[in-house]
Amino acid sequence: GAGVSQTPSNKVTEKGKYVELRCDPISGHTALYWYRQSLGQGPEFLIYFQGTGAADDSGLPNDRFFAVRPEGSVSTLKIQRTERGDSAVYLCASSNPGSRYEQYFGPGTRLTVT
Amino acid sequence: AQRVTQPEKLLSVFKGAPVELKCNYSYSGSPELFWYVQYSRQRLQLLLRHISRESIKGFTADLNKGETSFHLKKPFAQEEDSAMYYCALSRYSSASKIIFGSGTRLSIRP
Repeated sequence: GAGVSQTPSNKVTEKGKYVELRCDPISGHTALYWYRQSLGQGPEFLIYFQGTGAADDSGLPNDRFFAVRPEGSVSTLKIQRTERGDSAVYLCASSNPGSRYEQYFGPGTRLTVT
Repeated sequence: AQRVTQPEKLLSVFKGAPVELKCNYSYSGSPELFWYVQYSRQRLQLLLRHISRESIKGFTADLNKGETSFHLKKPFAQEEDSAMYYCALSRYSSASKIIFGSGTRLSIRP
């Protein structure tokens, strides 16, 4: 079946602009996760959803970052007033109890803030 | 503090030689340990998890709770093993965040 998809694959924006990154999880997966991967580092947790609600948002770096999952499927990560330090690959993953919560990752969105 | 440490950024070995990628962790509670792999131009994928006790693509990893280690081993490296490897942990058998190490790039020389 189809895996996790993310759009856009690449996004270049100017400092101070607003961006939205989208994630389509595997159909039927109840949990959805966002991670950020900076150059030379492992993925860093941002937030995860169980259904429509954010179960853990402890990784969001500040209030410029916000994520939603209004219908319990697609999720959007929103970044306000982007800064050059926000440049990274943003990864999305989804999981389900039936697969013992194995997280399946999307290809990522490469965000570049100029 | 919850942390995963991979001391080697790059490991280069000859084809046919043994491979060991080191991983140490700190976690309060009972974690589940994983190795994830990212091949060139592919997405991050699970290689193995300690509760499965499986050998995947010839790789094994044993959880040593005394030394808080979860080293990845393979007796005979193959060129197709060249990739980025991440050790990771999460809360045992539940939907929760994964904490990743910084990764080790494994390069297999012909």
